[in-house]
Amino acid sequence: NAGVTQTPKFRILKIGQSMTLQCTQDMNHNYMYWYRQDPGMGLKLIYYSVGAGITDKGEVPNGYNVSRSTTEDFPLRLELAAPSQTSVYFCASRQDSNQPQHFGDGTRLSIL
Amino acid sequence: KNEVEQSPQNLTAQEGEFITINCSYSVGISALHWLQQHPGGGIVSLFMLSSGKKKHGRLIATINIQEKHSSLHITASHPRDSAVYICAVRERGGNKLTFGGGTRVLVKP
Repeated sequence: NAGVTQTPKFRILKIGQSMTLQCTQDMNHNYMYWYRQDPGMGLKLIYYSVGAGITDKGEVPNGYNVSRSTTEDFPLRLELAAPSQTSVYFCASRQDSNQPQHFGDGTRLSIL
Repeated sequence: KNEVEQSPQNLTAQEGEFITINCSYSVGISALHWLQQHPGGGIVSLFMLSSGKKKHGRLIATINIQEKHSSLHITASHPRDSAVYICAVRERGGNKLTFGGGTRVLVKP
Protein backbone atom coordinates (compact mmCIF):
# COMPACT_ATOMS: atom_id res chain seq x y z
CA ASN A 1 0.00 0.00 0.00
CA ALA A 2 1.31 3.44 -0.95
CA GLY A 3 -1.04 5.22 1.48
CA VAL A 4 -1.60 8.88 0.65
CA THR A 5 0.49 10.14 -2.27
CA GLN A 6 0.94 13.83 -3.04
CA THR A 7 2.50 15.31 -6.16
CA PRO A 8 4.51 17.39 -6.75
CA LYS A 9 6.74 17.55 -3.67
CA PHE A 10 8.02 21.02 -4.49
CA ARG A 11 6.84 23.76 -6.85
CA ILE A 12 7.61 27.39 -7.50
CA LEU A 13 4.89 29.46 -9.16
CA LYS A 14 4.72 33.02 -10.40
CA ILE A 15 1.94 35.30 -9.16
CA GLY A 16 -1.21 34.74 -11.20
CA GLN A 17 -0.30 31.25 -12.43
CA SER A 18 -2.54 28.31 -11.76
CA MET A 19 -1.77 24.76 -10.75
CA THR A 20 -3.29 21.59 -9.36
CA LEU A 21 -1.89 19.74 -6.36
CA GLN A 22 -2.60 16.06 -6.72
CA CYS A 23 -3.60 13.73 -3.90
CA THR A 24 -4.46 10.07 -4.26
CA GLN A 25 -5.01 7.32 -1.70
CA ASP A 26 -5.22 3.57 -2.21
CA MET A 27 -6.90 2.67 1.08
CA ASN A 28 -10.50 3.15 -0.13
CA HIS A 29 -10.99 5.87 2.47
CA ASN A 30 -14.18 7.88 2.36
CA TYR A 31 -12.90 11.04 4.05
CA MET A 32 -10.21 13.23 2.50
CA TYR A 33 -8.80 16.56 3.61
CA TRP A 34 -6.54 19.36 2.39
CA TYR A 35 -4.57 21.41 4.93
CA ARG A 36 -2.04 24.18 4.69
CA GLN A 37 0.74 24.74 7.18
CA ASP A 38 2.41 28.13 7.23
CA PRO A 39 5.90 28.44 8.80
CA GLY A 40 5.71 28.05 12.58
CA MET A 41 1.94 27.78 12.50
CA GLY A 42 -0.59 25.02 13.00
CA LEU A 43 -2.49 23.14 10.30
CA LYS A 44 -5.50 24.87 8.81
CA LEU A 45 -8.23 23.03 6.91
CA ILE A 46 -8.82 24.25 3.36
CA TYR A 47 -11.42 21.79 2.03
CA TYR A 48 -12.62 18.33 2.86
CA SER A 49 -14.72 15.55 1.36
CA VAL A 50 -16.79 12.84 3.02
CA GLY A 51 -17.10 10.79 -0.15
CA ALA A 52 -17.01 10.87 -3.92
CA GLY A 53 -19.04 13.76 -5.28
CA ILE A 54 -19.23 15.59 -1.94
CA THR A 55 -16.95 18.45 -0.90
CA ASP A 56 -17.17 21.16 1.73
CA LYS A 57 -15.25 24.25 2.78
CA GLY A 58 -12.92 24.29 5.72
CA GLU A 59 -11.41 27.21 7.62
CA VAL A 60 -9.45 28.86 4.78
CA PRO A 61 -11.05 27.98 1.39
CA ASN A 62 -10.61 31.31 -0.42
CA GLY A 63 -8.41 31.05 -3.51
CA TYR A 64 -8.78 27.27 -3.79
CA ASN A 65 -11.10 24.76 -5.42
CA VAL A 66 -11.45 21.00 -5.10
CA SER A 67 -13.24 18.13 -6.75
CA ARG A 68 -13.85 14.52 -5.74
CA SER A 69 -14.93 12.57 -8.79
CA THR A 70 -13.48 9.29 -7.48
CA THR A 71 -12.88 7.81 -4.03
CA GLU A 72 -9.12 7.73 -4.67
CA ASP A 73 -8.40 11.26 -5.89
CA PHE A 74 -8.88 14.67 -4.27
CA PRO A 75 -7.05 17.36 -6.30
CA LEU A 76 -6.63 20.92 -5.00
CA ARG A 77 -6.69 23.72 -7.57
CA LEU A 78 -5.13 27.17 -7.23
CA GLU A 79 -6.55 29.41 -9.95
CA LEU A 80 -4.65 32.69 -9.47
CA ALA A 81 -1.63 32.08 -7.29
CA ALA A 82 -0.87 34.78 -4.72
CA PRO A 83 2.16 35.16 -2.40
CA SER A 84 -0.14 34.51 0.59
CA GLN A 85 -0.58 30.97 -0.69
CA THR A 86 3.08 30.15 -0.13
CA SER A 87 2.85 27.25 2.29
CA VAL A 88 3.23 23.52 2.76
CA TYR A 89 0.11 21.64 1.73
CA PHE A 90 -0.87 18.32 3.27
CA CYS A 91 -3.50 15.91 2.08
CA ALA A 92 -4.97 13.37 4.50
CA SER A 93 -7.54 10.61 4.48
CA ARG A 94 -9.38 8.39 6.94
CA GLN A 95 -11.85 5.54 6.70
CA ASP A 96 -14.38 6.52 9.37
CA SER A 97 -14.78 8.31 12.68
CA ASN A 98 -13.03 5.53 14.61
CA GLN A 99 -9.84 5.76 12.58
CA PRO A 100 -6.97 8.27 12.61
CA GLN A 101 -6.06 10.38 9.60
CA HIS A 102 -3.26 9.26 7.30
CA PHE A 103 -1.18 12.12 5.91
CA GLY A 104 0.72 12.51 2.68
CA ASP A 105 4.31 13.80 2.69
CA GLY A 106 3.27 17.32 1.74
CA THR A 107 3.77 19.69 -1.18
CA ARG A 108 6.02 22.70 -0.56
CA LEU A 109 4.70 25.57 -2.68
CA SER A 110 6.37 28.95 -3.16
CA ILE A 111 4.74 31.79 -5.05
CA LEU A 112 7.03 34.59 -6.16
CA LYS B 1 -15.53 26.53 17.65
CA ASN B 2 -13.12 24.47 19.68
CA GLU B 3 -10.00 26.20 20.91
CA VAL B 4 -7.03 23.87 21.29
CA GLU B 5 -4.11 25.06 23.37
CA GLN B 6 -0.80 23.26 23.76
CA SER B 7 1.93 23.86 26.29
CA PRO B 8 4.77 24.36 26.28
CA GLN B 9 5.37 25.77 22.80
CA ASN B 10 9.03 24.72 22.96
CA LEU B 11 10.80 22.18 25.11
CA THR B 12 14.46 21.16 25.35
CA ALA B 13 15.42 18.03 27.25
CA GLN B 14 18.53 15.97 27.84
CA GLU B 15 18.57 12.43 26.53
CA GLY B 16 16.91 10.09 29.01
CA GLU B 17 14.63 12.71 30.59
CA PHE B 18 10.88 12.31 30.99
CA ILE B 19 8.91 14.72 28.82
CA THR B 20 5.31 15.88 29.20
CA ILE B 21 3.32 17.89 26.66
CA ASN B 22 -0.10 19.22 27.54
CA CYS B 23 -3.21 19.90 25.47
CA SER B 24 -6.45 21.55 26.56
CA TYR B 25 -9.60 22.16 24.58
CA SER B 26 -12.79 24.11 25.13
CA VAL B 27 -15.70 22.08 23.73
CA GLY B 28 -16.74 18.44 24.18
CA ILE B 29 -15.10 16.09 21.74
CA SER B 30 -15.51 12.62 20.26
CA ALA B 31 -11.76 12.00 19.86
CA LEU B 32 -8.36 13.57 20.48
CA HIS B 33 -5.35 12.88 18.31
CA TRP B 34 -1.64 13.22 18.95
CA LEU B 35 0.50 13.64 15.83
CA GLN B 36 4.25 13.81 15.27
CA GLN B 37 6.01 15.88 12.63
CA HIS B 38 9.76 15.56 12.11
CA PRO B 39 11.68 18.56 10.72
CA GLY B 40 10.99 18.86 7.02
CA GLY B 41 8.99 15.69 7.19
CA GLY B 42 5.51 14.36 7.00
CA ILE B 43 2.94 13.95 9.75
CA VAL B 44 2.35 10.68 11.55
CA SER B 45 -0.57 9.82 13.78
CA LEU B 46 0.65 8.57 17.18
CA PHE B 47 -2.57 8.12 19.14
CA MET B 48 -6.31 8.56 18.88
CA LEU B 49 -8.03 8.74 22.26
CA SER B 50 -11.57 9.10 23.48
CA SER B 51 -10.97 8.10 27.10
CA GLY B 52 -8.35 6.79 29.50
CA LYS B 53 -4.81 6.04 28.49
CA LYS B 54 -2.86 4.49 25.61
CA LYS B 55 0.76 3.34 25.46
CA HIS B 56 2.99 2.63 22.51
CA GLY B 57 6.63 1.92 23.23
CA ARG B 58 8.02 4.88 25.17
CA LEU B 59 5.01 7.07 24.42
CA ILE B 60 2.00 7.36 26.71
CA ALA B 61 -1.10 9.46 26.04
CA THR B 62 -3.78 10.20 28.61
CA ILE B 63 -7.04 12.10 28.44
CA ASN B 64 -9.37 13.52 31.11
CA ILE B 65 -12.70 14.17 29.44
CA GLN B 66 -14.19 16.04 32.43
CA GLU B 67 -11.26 18.44 32.58
CA LYS B 68 -10.93 18.69 28.76
CA HIS B 69 -7.24 17.95 29.00
CA SER B 70 -4.78 15.48 27.52
CA SER B 71 -1.09 14.82 28.05
CA LEU B 72 1.54 13.12 25.93
CA HIS B 73 4.47 11.65 27.85
CA ILE B 74 7.78 10.50 26.41
CA THR B 75 9.76 8.26 28.75
CA ALA B 76 13.55 7.85 28.44
CA SER B 77 13.67 10.50 25.71
CA HIS B 78 16.07 10.08 22.80
CA PRO B 79 17.38 12.55 20.20
CA ARG B 80 15.25 10.82 17.56
CA ASP B 81 12.18 12.00 19.52
CA SER B 82 13.04 15.56 18.44
CA ALA B 83 10.00 16.69 16.47
CA VAL B 84 6.90 18.84 16.64
CA TYR B 85 4.05 17.17 18.52
CA ILE B 86 0.57 18.27 17.55
CA CYS B 87 -2.69 17.83 19.42
CA ALA B 88 -5.94 17.80 17.42
CA VAL B 89 -9.58 17.27 18.42
CA ARG B 90 -12.76 16.27 16.64
CA GLU B 91 -16.02 17.56 18.05
CA ARG B 92 -18.93 15.20 18.61
CA GLY B 93 -20.66 14.53 15.30
CA GLY B 94 -18.02 16.47 13.39
CA ASN B 95 -15.92 15.47 10.41
CA LYS B 96 -13.09 17.94 10.91
CA LEU B 97 -10.10 18.24 13.21
CA THR B 98 -9.12 21.39 15.06
CA PHE B 99 -5.37 21.59 15.63
CA GLY B 100 -3.25 23.02 18.38
CA GLY B 101 -0.22 25.08 17.47
CA GLY B 102 2.23 22.28 18.22
CA THR B 103 5.03 21.74 20.72
CA ARG B 104 8.57 21.76 19.36
CA VAL B 105 10.66 19.19 21.26
CA LEU B 106 14.45 19.03 21.09
CA VAL B 107 16.23 16.19 22.85
CA LYS B 108 19.97 16.75 23.23
CA PRO B 109 22.41 13.83 23.46
